[in-house]
Amino acid sequence: ILNVEQSPQSLHVQEGDSTNFTCSFPSSNFYALHWYRWETAKSPEALFVMTLNGDEKKKGRISATLNTKEGYSYLYIKGSQPEDSATYLCASFYSNYQLIWGAGTKLIIKP
Amino acid sequence: EAEVAQSPRYKITEKSQAVAFWCDPISGHATLYWYRQILGQGPELLVQFQDESVVDDSQLPKDRFSAERLKGVDSTLKIQPAELGDSAMYLCASSLVGGSQYFGPGTRLTVL
Repeated sequence: ILNVEQSPQSLHVQEGDSTNFTCSFPSSNFYALHWYRWETAKSPEALFVMTLNGDEKKKGRISATLNTKEGYSYLYIKGSQPEDSATYLCASFYSNYQLIWGAGTKLIIKP
Repeated sequence: EAEVAQSPRYKITEKSQAVAFWCDPISGHATLYWYRQILGQGPELLVQFQDESVVDDSQLPKDRFSAERLKGVDSTLKIQPAELGDSAMYLCASSLVGGSQYFGPGTRLTVL
């Protein structure tokens, strides 16, 4: 059974600090890695899609990297703000069209 | 900006009744997903379509749930009969193959 793992499960960060968390995924037949931001009671919002080994994407203070050979991706948030509080989900898409979600990292920014 | 449409937005039903949800994906998106989201948890994939074909329905409770996407465009998810434990948010999402998913607003189902 393919499994995508995210760590840590939850994270408390002081406002203004930078942080990062991990998504680990099976690399066999890998096609793309997705990151989503999900606030409770809302639908997940797409952040990034990455496909190539070494890919780096950036959106404002949030960036992500991808290592397809070892099967992991990092999501970085620089200078955390209260509005960054959310659950960050990753999902790995494979060449057989299978999509597997991680359980998410819940980020709480303390003012 | 194109959006995924879902209806109804809210549905209240009694257990043992049948319910149906509709989803219209973004035009050109070949991949369509149905998710169930219980409060406080991440989305649980129920079924994934590639055009009109089912790619993954391993988590779909097939004794009571069914999904179809007959023409490879819009899709319907049905529950018959509904049970108390089916109360949840049902989300539809669409994407280009392998691309980011765009989620609809969801249907909030309450089973009494």
